[in-house]
Amino acid sequence: SAVISQKPSRDICQRGTSLTIQCQVDSQVTMMFWYRQQPGQSLTLIATANQGSEATYESGFVIDKFPISRPNLTFSTLTVSNMSPEDSSIYLCSVEDTGGNEKLFFGSGTQLSVL
Amino acid sequence: TQLLKQSPQFLSIQEGENLTVYCNSSSVFSSLQWYRQEPGEGPVLLVTVVTGGEVKKLKRLTFQFGDARKDSSLHITAAQPGDTGLYLCARSQNTGNQFYFGTGTSLTVIP
Repeated sequence: SAVISQKPSRDICQRGTSLTIQCQVDSQVTMMFWYRQQPGQSLTLIATANQGSEATYESGFVIDKFPISRPNLTFSTLTVSNMSPEDSSIYLCSVEDTGGNEKLFFGSGTQLSVL
Repeated sequence: TQLLKQSPQFLSIQEGENLTVYCNSSSVFSSLQWYRQEPGEGPVLLVTVVTGGEVKKLKRLTFQFGDARKDSSLHITAAQPGDTGLYLCARSQNTGNQFYFGTGTSLTVIP
């Protein structure tokens, strides 16, 4: 199993500003995943973060808007840049089970509201 | 890529009733997972189904993978208020380790 800590748990931000979300895992993992969950909706994969290489972004998401860092095997950050009200969502960090099971562990998420 | 369509999108039932949630796709998957998410938390894995026609039970929850491995269902017997949450099916990317989620079913069980 993996325990994931995300910070902040929630924030209210002004449009045009940026917010960096931190994700800390209690074990070393190869891949970390960032998801967005818009109000009342399911999870959409933003990007996959590998240590030592550029993050891989899904269609509709770009590095300029959502820069990601992955400095080591237990930590990652996602920045939501130049925010607008449309960015109001829950942002979730997750990792895959290292035991070979197809299973994701999630942090509790960051609830972001942009005014 | 949103290839997993869940139905119904919303479901509100009385305690003690039974319900079924469906997850459908036009693609064949090697495996499919079901997660439950409660407010303020991340999703938690309930089960993974791998074999076509497979049935797995988790207390009052019964999961089935379609014979053609394109669809799955989740049946809850005698629902309880503690079953309230967002139910999500998910699949992994065949060419990588990414996981993609279905459209979700929000279940409310009224005491």
